[in-house]
Amino acid sequence: DTEVTQTPKHLVMGMTNKKSLKCEQHMGHRAMYWYKQKAKKPPELMFVYSYEKLSINESVPSRFSPECPNSSLLNLHLHALQPEDSALYLCASSTSQGAREKLFFGSGTQLSVL
Amino acid sequence: QQQVKQSPQSLIVQKGGISIINCAYENTAFDYFPWYQQFPGKGPALLIAIRPDVSEKKEGRFTISFNKSAKQFSLHIMDSQPGDSATYFCAASSSVDSSYKLIFGSGTRLLVRP
Repeated sequence: DTEVTQTPKHLVMGMTNKKSLKCEQHMGHRAMYWYKQKAKKPPELMFVYSYEKLSINESVPSRFSPECPNSSLLNLHLHALQPEDSALYLCASSTSQGAREKLFFGSGTQLSVL
Repeated sequence: QQQVKQSPQSLIVQKGGISIINCAYENTAFDYFPWYQQFPGKGPALLIAIRPDVSEKKEGRFTISFNKSAKQFSLHIMDSQPGDSATYFCAASSSVDSSYKLIFGSGTRLLVRP
């Protein structure tokens, strides 16, 4: 099973809402990532978890809050987002943070903030 | 120094033709150069990757050519097919940087006409 599963696939939220994006992998990977991708742009790294500990935070605003409950799950909690946060949010995983050759992306959550 | 410059922005090729996408970098510490393929509504998927100790790597119809002295690398798609129509991202990362962060190019939208 070489799959990274993200839910929901689509999400529409208001600026005062609280929502969460979920990501799951069962490949035994110990590094998990959140990326943000605007239309017609490359993915931008947001967070990296390595062995369930936050390893990298790319100066992401606090309205985005990541959580790694266990080695298979990664959440991104959203609160008080702005319309400019509308984007495709991609989860990815790899066997370890340095295992660049084995980075698998999920299909993403398309987020619209109204 | 951290940028990867990708060209062209878009490319139209006839079925059976050769598609060529180019990338250039400045950071000589980069030691891993992958290409990702992304279809609409999907996350990027690793297509092929190369390390600087080889000048060419071929996998099926896909070939990476690497020129270390010029700090350039390119993706060649032979016998291009309509199913190859997608966005292609080159990327680079350095093992000297403990984050192993992937630096993506800006992307090339490829359309293969039947």
